[in-house]
Amino acid sequence: EPEVTQTPSHQVTQMGQEVILRCVPISNHLYFYWYRQILGQKVEFLVSFYNNEISEKSEIFDDQFSVERPDGSNFTLKIRSTKLEDSAMYFCASSRDRGQGYGYTFGSGTRLTVV
Amino acid sequence: DQQVKQNSPSLSVQEGRISILNCDYTNSMFDYFLWYKKYPAEGPTFLISISSIKDKNEDGRFTVFLNKSAKHLSLHIVPSQPGDSAVYFCAAFASGGGADGLTFGKGTHLIIQP
Repeated sequence: EPEVTQTPSHQVTQMGQEVILRCVPISNHLYFYWYRQILGQKVEFLVSFYNNEISEKSEIFDDQFSVERPDGSNFTLKIRSTKLEDSAMYFCASSRDRGQGYGYTFGSGTRLTVV
Repeated sequence: DQQVKQNSPSLSVQEGRISILNCDYTNSMFDYFLWYKKYPAEGPTFLISISSIKDKNEDGRFTVFLNKSAKHLSLHIVPSQPGDSAVYFCAAFASGGGADGLTFGKGTHLIIQP
């Protein structure tokens, strides 16, 4: 069964450093998403990406965050200057159609720890 | 602003019995609801969904009920099995609202006891 692959599974970084979280969505999917889950809290939407541009972003997704699809397969989330409160599980997801949550496939997540 | 609420952080059910997980929402624009299941160290996996034009959707052991007037939905698992032990997230989506993202509840940790 097709899956969304995220790397690395765990990243530790120092506060103020830049991090790039990588995702390989399912190949025939057109919509890409990043969500995060701070420990003990709910899964929160960050951003959606379609047709090589941001389709929607939440208020969490401020200027420190950016997304890119540098080639035909990867989808990345960059945090320019990490803060302690950025520590969370970051989930990438992709879907074939917009908004049909049954079609979302999530990756296993990247645990980001900012120290 | 919790638009999707799961008020039970955890639920313990005996194997073979029915598990009922509840979810409430406040945004009347939501018209599509989903349940996701999550094991530790894995991403959420889709379980079952329901459109607001229905009040029930069934898939094997899983049934989701929607009460639009009460803005409430529930997930029934019958019979409960040990492999059902996981965190269950309720999520909602407003198809006409121009929003791409799902709004998740905080999750309910279901524990199936032998």
